[in-house]
Amino acid sequence: DTGVSQNPRHKITKRGQNVTFRCDPISEHNRLYWYRQTLGQGPEFLTYFQNEAQLEKSRLLSDRFSAERPKGSFSTLEIQRTEQGDSAMYLCASSGVGATNEKLFFGSGTQLSVL
Amino acid sequence: GQQLNQSPQSMFIQEGEDVSMNCTSSSIFNTWLWYKQDPGEGPVLLIALYKAGELTSNGRLTAQFGITRKDGFLNISASIPSDVGIYFCAGQKGDMRFGAGTRLTVKP
Repeated sequence: DTGVSQNPRHKITKRGQNVTFRCDPISEHNRLYWYRQTLGQGPEFLTYFQNEAQLEKSRLLSDRFSAERPKGSFSTLEIQRTEQGDSAMYLCASSGVGATNEKLFFGSGTQLSVL
Repeated sequence: GQQLNQSPQSMFIQEGEDVSMNCTSSSIFNTWLWYKQDPGEGPVLLIALYKAGELTSNGRLTAQFGITRKDGFLNISASIPSDVGIYFCAGQKGDMRFGAGTRLTVKP
């Protein structure tokens, strides 16, 4: 399968714990995006990378959120000191570059539940 | 927060009926897209539009990007049960922003 892959699919954690999610994009895509989605809402943009460069991170929800893409391939999203309000679906997407190549293809998401 | 206003929020239709949904924004976008999302899955791309006023079809789906590049609509003809899901409009200029979705229910 050559789609966007996210792991884990589900994560249950206790408040205050740190969590890390992984995303493997479509191999030929050099852009990678992270979104958060809460119930009844559309995906909310968090950050994106072009290759290993993080081009936009001002919309990360707080300084507890950080993302990396060290080699320009897979990416990780970490949430430190989780809070109950962090419970949501975290979606990763990837795309190519260029006017008609910027369509985002999404993974199946990681559903986070903070108890 | 959301920059795209999508309507209606939900629709309940009979199988075979046509569906129309739309989306407006105060922002101008380079690309306009429609996605469908099933429960527990990520959104799946349905249609992408790039030019102001562009009208395009994909099977039973027809979509148009507004002439001002701030709005668009999606029509589904002759709905079938597998059309059930949440439909999102999205606009892209740099990052991509999404509407809150239209939840479609199709009664057989």
